[in-house]
Amino acid sequence: AQTVTQSQPEMSVQEAETVTLSCTYDTSENNYYLFWYKQPPSRQMILVIRQEAYKQQNATENRFSVNFQKAAKSFSLKISDSQLGDTAMYFCAFMKRGSNYKLTFGKGTLLTVNP
Amino acid sequence: DTAVSQTPKYLVTQMGNDKSIKCEQNLGHDTMYWYKQDSKKFLKIMFSYNNKELIINETVPNRFSPKSPDKAHLNLHINSLELGDSAVYFCASSQDGRGLISGNTIYFGEGSWLTVV
Repeated sequence: AQTVTQSQPEMSVQEAETVTLSCTYDTSENNYYLFWYKQPPSRQMILVIRQEAYKQQNATENRFSVNFQKAAKSFSLKISDSQLGDTAMYFCAFMKRGSNYKLTFGKGTLLTVNP
Repeated sequence: DTAVSQTPKYLVTQMGNDKSIKCEQNLGHDTMYWYKQDSKKFLKIMFSYNNKELIINETVPNRFSPKSPDKAHLNLHINSLELGDSAVYFCASSQDGRGLISGNTIYFGEGSWLTVV
């Protein structure tokens, strides 16, 4: 079974600064996807960024980028120019390809952006 | 238009009652899911349906019964509610739930907050 570990239960950052959220995972699979989801206080789950394991290039979405280290099984999220609206729980998730889209989530990191 | 919509958004009910949460998606997806987020915010899959066929059924008490009348709807019925059922229940959908096409994404609804008292 796959496991996803987010070792930072809470983090804070000043507005406009950069912050990195950590995620490690354990799997014996070779074909899989990794995701970061954001859950603001409204509780809606919003996809932030997605990475295919077969792609060596790190995914980027505007201010959000990942550092994907497949050998180390590490998938960190970097948020640049942090904004107050980035305050949320961030969940790292793993999905094996062909697994009927079964997502395995980490326990989340609560990020607070301070003015 | 909301892509994945759930009703009700908030539900407070007494132990022992039976309740249902409804979910509808207008994305034309063929697969729908129910996830549960407990009080510690841990998210875990419960069920998934692909074209009305159950394809994932995690270890969930049989008091929970999903029903998919068509591929755009997946309802969750819970019998004999217990205090431990209090959670946020998320419906989600995706295209090609068999996971054979790369790059498809799961879209979540806004969640249904269930409180059992």
